[in-house]
Parts: sequence; C-alpha cells; structure tokens
Amino acid sequence: GEDVEQSLFLSVREGDSSVINCTYTDSSSTYLYWYKQEPGAGLQLLTYIFSNMDMKQDQRLTVLLNKKDKHLSLRIADTQTGDSAIYFCAETLRGSSNTGKLIFGQGTTLQVKP
Amino acid sequence: DAGVIQSPRHEVTEMGQEVTLRCKPISGHNSLFWYRQTMMRGLELLIYFNNNVPIDDSGMPEDRFSAKMPNASFSTLKIQPSEPRDSAVYFCASSRGNTIYFGEGSWLTVV
Repeated sequence: GEDVEQSLFLSVREGDSSVINCTYTDSSSTYLYWYKQEPGAGLQLLTYIFSNMDMKQDQRLTVLLNKKDKHLSLRIADTQTGDSAIYFCAETLRGSSNTGKLIFGQGTTLQVKP
Repeated sequence: DAGVIQSPRHEVTEMGQEVTLRCKPISGHNSLFWYRQTMMRGLELLIYFNNNVPIDDSGMPEDRFSAKMPNASFSTLKIQPSEPRDSAVYFCASSRGNTIYFGEGSWLTVV
C-alpha cells in the first residue's frame, strides 16, 4: 500500500543543521517532494527529487534519497527562526507522475530556538 | 504569476448550510486537485481533474461533497448540507507535469 511516515517533531538551535526524515513504502514512487507550511498558510513547494537521483542541493537545502531503504531526508543548513514550520514529505506514484497525485506524510514540526 | 487563488479564505457557517469553495488554478496548468487538511487525518486528496475532467473522486467523503471544473481556469467544491465534521482547511492545487503548487487554503468552520 501507499504510506509515508515522518517523525512528528524536531527542535534545533538557530545556526545548527536540521535533518528531517521520511520513509515511504511504495517502491514505484517517481517523484518525492518536500513542502513547507507556516502557521495559517498554504503549502509551499521547497524542492523535489526524481527517483533515479540520490541527492539534490538547492542553496541551504539538501535532499538525500536512499531508494534501497525507501528513505528520504531534508537537510537545512544554518537553520534560522524563519524556518520554523511544518515540513511535509510527499510522493507521487508511477502512473500518476503526469497528474501529480500526491501521498503526504503527517508532517514534521520544526522548532528553531534562538 | 499569481499562483493558485482560493476563495473564501475563511468561512464560518451553520450546520445544514451550503458551502461553496472556489479555486483559480495557475494559468497553463492542466491538473487541479482538492485536498482537505485536518489535525486527525492530515492531508487527504478529495478529487482531482485532468484537462477539466474528473479523474479520481474516490477521496470525496460522501454524497454531500461535489466538485466541478467547468473550464480550465475555475473549479468549485461544494458541500451541501454542511456538518461540523466538515470543519477543515480545504486546499486547491494545480500542476503541469511534476510540480504541484498549492493555494493558501479555505479555512472552513461549521458550527
């Protein structure tokens, strides 16, 4: 079946790196995404990775994908208080990549302490 | 680019009333999605359209929910009659290919 799991909470100090982890069960996933949701706001697409890639870097964000273990992570370097939000991992499934149907994890709340 | 536009942003209504949520997707996007977010169930896909045609509505909770997409630039999600358990944030999203963009959501409270 389709299932995406995330830890619910992560607390870090400002300036440290944050690593948010996600596991998924469907090996046919084609794209995997990270979204950010600030309080009272919608979901902001941060980055995504195609399933044939191992790593993608975009400024302070690094995405690592381990297909063997079905594990995805998002590393935020030099975490700032403005990074405090809920981070959602999501996958699309083979056959859905043209339509973008997403399966979401339950979200990880990142708390950044000054 | 204006992004996905949803209205209303907030709505409070009484049980039994009809609720209509509206969405304008990003111009040129050919897929549109309605998601619901609650504390208990997280983000759930209700229905999605491809080229204005409903493809999968298996996530629509029950017959009280209906969605339409009369043209490429407009969609509605209707709840009739509304119930308190429908209180949630309803997100519209659109995509062309593999990047999916979300609106700011419609925050619905049914009392």
